[in-house]
Amino acid sequence: DSGVTQTPKHLITATGQRVTLRCSPRSGDLSVYWYQQSLDQGLQFLIQYYNGEERAKGNILERFSAQQFPDLHSELNLSSLELGDSALYFCASRGSGNTIYFGEGSWLTVV
Amino acid sequence: GENVEQHPSTLSVQEGDSAVIKCTYSDSASNYFPWYKQELGKRPQLIIDIRSNVGEKKDQRIAVTLNKTAKHFSLHITETQPEDSAVYFCAASRGAADKLVFGAGTILRVKS
Repeated sequence: DSGVTQTPKHLITATGQRVTLRCSPRSGDLSVYWYQQSLDQGLQFLIQYYNGEERAKGNILERFSAQQFPDLHSELNLSSLELGDSALYFCASRGSGNTIYFGEGSWLTVV
Repeated sequence: GENVEQHPSTLSVQEGDSAVIKCTYSDSASNYFPWYKQELGKRPQLIIDIRSNVGEKKDQRIAVTLNKTAKHFSLHITETQPEDSAVYFCAASRGAADKLVFGAGTILRVKS
């Protein structure tokens, strides 16, 4: 158990819909990262937050947005969903050291 | 931005043999290089990491080497076992405040 909690674990939704993925980082970790992993794909960096502020942006679509709340949990919002958005979405957190710990991921299937 | 290339994309070895996976990075400011192992449908898990002030690090059957001049780093697994079969990802980062940029991954198959 990495200490990073993601919900839901699995989600099936229709094209055009909107979903929210939730992440609770390890206790005390200020940095939260979101990664997307499609079938047969690597880990694509989406966005990073540090203590509530956006720190870095990767290949995140305009239809996607994220935020980190005062209690440090984070949410990734995916809207106008397309079939190609089907993927495993990972949240990860990092504390004062270098190590990044991943959650179990949220499987999103768009039908 | 940082770009990490990883080779080979797939690697098959006989049980007991060694496996080597290589990565190159583009950003000379990167100073932290972790390796993650991911089993099918599971989360990536850190197996070993190295910082830029160190040339080599070992942990039992796993070792990582870093050549800062050439911007290369490699993962070495000795005496491979079937349970080593997984996808391995290298990554690079500028440090504790920065994101991890991952390589494309290597599928390692250990045949028994």
